[in-house]
Amino acid sequence: AQSVTQLGSHVSVSEGALVLLRCNYSSSVPPYLFWYVQYPNQGLQLLLKYTTGATLVKGINGFEAEFKKSETSFHLTKPSAHMSDAAEYFCAVSVPGSGGSNYKLTFGKGTLLTVNP
Amino acid sequence: DTEVTQTPKHLVMGMTNKKSLKCEQHMGHRAMYWYKQKAKKPPELMFVYSYEKLSINESVPSRFSPECPNSSLLNLHLHALQPEDSALYLCASSHGKMGQPISFGQGTRLTVV
Repeated sequence: AQSVTQLGSHVSVSEGALVLLRCNYSSSVPPYLFWYVQYPNQGLQLLLKYTTGATLVKGINGFEAEFKKSETSFHLTKPSAHMSDAAEYFCAVSVPGSGGSNYKLTFGKGTLLTVNP
Repeated sequence: DTEVTQTPKHLVMGMTNKKSLKCEQHMGHRAMYWYKQKAKKPPELMFVYSYEKLSINESVPSRFSPECPNSSLLNLHLHALQPEDSALYLCASSHGKMGQPISFGQGTRLTVV
């Protein structure tokens, strides 16, 4: 069975500092991995995804993530934090659904990012 | 702007009420989902519809009843809910294939009193 572990339920950085949010996965098959962001009282917005190919994936808002199979990791980074990056971030792995015609996401517990001025 | 539209944005209902949450997408997606999210928790899958047929029911209580009238619409009918059912209910859609991202709506904030 697939699972996702996000290390650190809360990460606090200063504006302009590097953002690093950690995600490790467990999967018996090649994983499809996603990062989503959720602002207060809103839905989830896709930041980036890894399916196959290039292991360094670039997403929206200056975020990127690197798939490292040997470390079973998919950490999310941004070189310079903005105040507007403050939100909840979820790492997710796709899991086959029944019948093979659809799938569902298994989410990590989430990491709350706060950005200090 | 999200391409999955949910109505209403907020809903307060009594434990004896019947209400419905509505969701619409026009991206041609063939899979649609209902998730429930409690505060400070990740979304939990409730139901998946694939090609308008219910394909996954995550052992959700019968007081929640999903309906997929067509490929663009998804409803969640609510009846005799409990206060612990108060949560953010998220609708989502996707092409339904592994590796394709799921697009989420803005959610309906449900409060059961």
